[in-house]
Amino acid sequence: DGGITQSPKYLFRKEGQNVTLSCEQNLNHDAMYWYRQDPGQGLRLIYYSQIVNDFQKGDIAEGYSVSREKKESFPLTVTSAQKNPTAFYLCASSIWTASPELFFGEGSRLTVL
Amino acid sequence: EDQVTQSPEALRLQEGESSSLNCSYTVSGLRGLFWYRQDPGKGPEFLFTLYSAGEEKEKERLKATLTKKESFLHITAPKPEDSATYLCAVQTGNNFGNEKLTFGTGTRLTIIP
Repeated sequence: DGGITQSPKYLFRKEGQNVTLSCEQNLNHDAMYWYRQDPGQGLRLIYYSQIVNDFQKGDIAEGYSVSREKKESFPLTVTSAQKNPTAFYLCASSIWTASPELFFGEGSRLTVL
Repeated sequence: EDQVTQSPEALRLQEGESSSLNCSYTVSGLRGLFWYRQDPGKGPEFLFTLYSAGEEKEKERLKATLTKKESFLHITAPKPEDSATYLCAVQTGNNFGNEKLTFGTGTRLTIIP
């Protein structure tokens, strides 16, 4: 079955540590995205990529970094510079950025202790 | 600044009791409006896209409608499996890109057997 796989599902880290969240898709989609979801707030875009080796900052990119070395993979690193990293992180993909339908993974919940 | 407001925040219905969820928006240049369903601890699942006022889309017990200022998600004779959070998102801007998506905070729907 095609889809998006995020790992790990739950992650606990100490303050000051960088963490990397994995996102893999086998849908052959060009565009991939990272969103952050906090209680009482709408999904907010962190980074997106329209094509391999290219990515753009979203609304809340500070303290995050990404790479897009392969079409299937779009990992997100939450760095120690991110002031409030505890959140639910969602990876998504679409056929291309003009496509209205986003396919989401099941999310990764990061808790910083 | 684009704004998307969903109401109510939470809604509890008896099984079979029809109702509507609202998504009102204040944006410059609406390109499309999207509805997603999100189960607890999961990623959102795409439901509908609406592009112009007067447009309607249906899927099982759900029907989405669009006016110039708001969208409604009507749920007819709901079942317990319809319990979820329903998210609304609007696409704006000059580019047909998902990077211009603005999400609402969602309506948490609970259907009581």
